[in-house]
Amino acid sequence: AQKITQTQPGMFVQEKEAVTLDCTYDTSDQSYGLFWYKQPSSGEMIFLIYQGSYDEQNATEGRYSLNFQKARKSANLVISASQLGDSAMYFCAMREGYNTDKLIFGTGTRLQVFP
Amino acid sequence: GAGVSQSPSNKVTEKGKDVELRCDPISGHTALYWYRQSLGQGLEFLIYFQGNSAPDKSGLPSDRFSAERTGGSVSTLTIQRTQQEDSAVYLCASSLFTGELFFGEGSRLTVL
Repeated sequence: AQKITQTQPGMFVQEKEAVTLDCTYDTSDQSYGLFWYKQPSSGEMIFLIYQGSYDEQNATEGRYSLNFQKARKSANLVISASQLGDSAMYFCAMREGYNTDKLIFGTGTRLQVFP
Repeated sequence: GAGVSQSPSNKVTEKGKDVELRCDPISGHTALYWYRQSLGQGLEFLIYFQGNSAPDKSGLPSDRFSAERTGGSVSTLTIQRTQQEDSAVYLCASSLFTGELFFGEGSRLTVL
């Protein structure tokens, strides 16, 4: 079974609007971490935001926020005030358990921001 | 440099040849990962090293793939008898035991 599911292969958003990229996950562990990475066309992977399973508040980093709904096992990324430079692939990832740093990635969502 | 360094950045080889891809992680990072990304696809986990523990090899697609990490630092991913389906970008990442991975720029492998 897939551990990380990103159901949106592509999304479009107009500049300055907000957009939500979906991510659901599957784990039986109580302790886990959720990550979002951005991959522009240049190919590098850029860390955006992290949410721990025990964190009570939704993580925020500038224009990025993570809408964490533990009961639904979802960790959607919200980008506010989209910019043209936000156009990229976005990957959700999960680390399971205490004693590993291994990350499993979803298949990604390609975001296109248009003027 | 301060980041994860991978070499070569591009490698073109003939089917059946062996290739070695090198990763030099960020100094002091105990964890090192190899992922594979085929064109337009997500990241496929290959192998993970953490300190002196036995590596997690659960993602290696076949016995043609192997990796080692010498002295807890530099890692080499070896693909023997390459096939066309091995063509991909091979990404290396390293981390402290905090979860945030720092990625290299990848090695693009093309098997003709």
